[in-house]
Amino acid sequence: VHLVESGGGLVQPGYSLRLSCAASGFSVSNNYMRWFRLAPGKGLEWVSVIYSGGSTYYADSVKGRFTISRDNSKNTVYLQMNSLRAEDTAVYYCAKNRGDDWGQGTLVTVSS
Amino acid sequence: AIQMTQSPSSLSASVGDRVTITCRASQDIRNDLAWYQQKPGRAPKLLIYVASSLLGGVPSRFSGSGSGTDFSLTISSLQPEDFATYYCLQDHNYPYTFGQGTKLEI
Repeated sequence: VHLVESGGGLVQPGYSLRLSCAASGFSVSNNYMRWFRLAPGKGLEWVSVIYSGGSTYYADSVKGRFTISRDNSKNTVYLQMNSLRAEDTAVYYCAKNRGDDWGQGTLVTVSS
Repeated sequence: AIQMTQSPSSLSASVGDRVTITCRASQDIRNDLAWYQQKPGRAPKLLIYVASSLLGGVPSRFSGSGSGTDFSLTISSLQPEDFATYYCLQDHNYPYTFGQGTKLEI
């Protein structure tokens, strides 16, 4: 099992970014996948989940701005982040199921 | 959202010590609680799920207990590699919520 996040970077407030979580060794379509984040000097925060059936859920802090999705053909999960704010600055991690396996994380910095 | 109150926020201990970290939920979450370990620059690591089940490969010095609203993580004999930050996570209701974290220091 291997998870690789990408897509992070520096973005201005109000702009968008899409994170990717490429999976290998298992099928994202048969598992649930979660996004978490760790902001500088802060604690861990659960961000979103997508289930095998397609159901999705979000943290209150990102609801309406972030969208989780997946592409089964690419075995990849995405996190579309719109209307980014300074407080969204964090390392974003994807994880498989209950958290047995994690990616290495990708840093998102929201700053003007 | 369910509030998770974790204590202490920091803890100083020595190799060989037994330490306990607690988490209290603002409502009954049955046994829907997990414990994670986080080291700087590394991805979080799941230690315990459904309150007391040890993930395969996690040393047996880690144990979890509790149900309802009160939970604890115990490390029976601290090893040098255990110095990290620990978090509880309730996965009973959405949105899932973490405790504030406990930084375990030498």
